[in-house]
Amino acid sequence: AQSVAQPEDQVNVAEGNPLTVKCTYSVSGNPYLFWYVQYPNRGLQFLLKYITGDNLVKGSYGFEAEFNKSQTSFHLKKPSALVSDSALYFCAVRDIGNAGNMLTFGGGTRLMVKP
Amino acid sequence: ETGVTQTPRHLVMGMTNKKSLKCEQHLGHNAMYWYKQSAKKPLELMFVYNFKEQTENNSVPSRFSPECPNSSHLFLHLHTLQPEDSALYLCASSQEEQGRYNEQFFGPGTRLTVL
Repeated sequence: AQSVAQPEDQVNVAEGNPLTVKCTYSVSGNPYLFWYVQYPNRGLQFLLKYITGDNLVKGSYGFEAEFNKSQTSFHLKKPSALVSDSALYFCAVRDIGNAGNMLTFGGGTRLMVKP
Repeated sequence: ETGVTQTPRHLVMGMTNKKSLKCEQHLGHNAMYWYKQSAKKPLELMFVYNFKEQTENNSVPSRFSPECPNSSHLFLHLHTLQPEDSALYLCASSQEEQGRYNEQFFGPGTRLTVL
């Protein structure tokens, strides 16, 4: 079975400060990891993914995430937050050994960036 | 936009009504998905279609009935719903290939209210 945990319901950051949104995962095999963002009244938008290779993955809108196998984490980061980054962020995992298409999502973290 | 459209965007229905949600993907993908997003709950995968064949049914009540007439269209037929079925219903698509695991692209969702 695969699972994802996002331990923070909400993260508050001042504009211009670095931000981190945490994600930990559990899979039986090797993971494929994803980050999505959801703005109000919209569907989820893909930000970035880790499949193999470099542990630091760069994605859309200046976001990046670091895969840490020993800590089973995939935290989302941005060096300088913008007010427009305020949204709901979802981490998701897929077990490479999973023959199906199933993505398992975390519960989401609301990011609030204040001016 | 992501290339996945959903109609209607909002739907209010009584418990005895029958309605359908429609999803269309313009990305040439071969897999489509229905998710349910409720307040304070993680995204719940409902159904998965690969090459028009249903491959996952996550213990969804029979009052939800999916239909996938071709690889570009996905429907969710609704009948005798309950108020607790009120939620945002999201459609997604992806290109599934042997040995590659690509991200899913989401539509904007249908906000369903059951009275």
